Amino acid sequence: DIQMTQSPSSLSASVGDRITITCRASQSISSYLHWYQQKPGKAPKLLIYSASSLQSGVPSRFSGSGSGTDFSLTISSLQPEDFATYYCQQSYSAPNTFGQGTKLEIK
Amino acid sequence: EVQLVQSGAEVKKAGESLKISCKGSEYSFTGYWIGWVRQMPGKGLEWMGIIYPGDSDTRYSPSFQGQVTISADKSISTAYLQWSSLKASDTAIYYCARHQEWGSSFQPFDYWGQGTLVTVSS
Repeated sequence: DIQMTQSPSSLSASVGDRITITCRASQSISSYLHWYQQKPGKAPKLLIYSASSLQSGVPSRFSGSGSGTDFSLTISSLQPEDFATYYCQQSYSAPNTFGQGTKLEIK
Repeated sequence: EVQLVQSGAEVKKAGESLKISCKGSEYSFTGYWIGWVRQMPGKGLEWMGIIYPGDSDTRYSPSFQGQVTISADKSISTAYLQWSSLKASDTAIYYCARHQEWGSSFQPFDYWGQGTLVTVSS
């Protein structure tokens, strides 16, 4: 299985901050990397697919980059509704493993 | 609008069997891979497996192979996740989700069900 490692595991930030979450794959996954946001009690929501493509309806303050083994998700100016848990996922090969998650909390 | 509607919460005893469902609507159900994802209490997301309803081609994570069965009935646009003998450690929320691209399992999950909470008592 391909292992996905996110960092940090948790992050405390303020409204208006710029933050970056990173995700590293245990082997090259090309650009088959996706980012999800999950709020408590809700299903995950797709934010970014194929490393850098913004899903329809997702605000442009979210962006993704990377290829191969190293990827990042950036939120340019945090809004109150962005405080949630974020997961990366690879779909290069089954099982399509998720990272362990990054919990973004309000400072 | 594409929708995945899952069956309701279940409370079971260890050793019992269970089958939960995920009904798709407003899209061509047979043309998109559907997956199942487990989330144990307070934990992260785990990819369990996927099925292509068009021909029932199924792939499992090694962690779940032999522990669950994924199936689909294309005549009623419904995917299933079932257990023959539940364990207390199966207590979790189970989500179904649809792959984004017709015929491809290389894209992300773009639509998700609301989740089914399964509680198993020992």
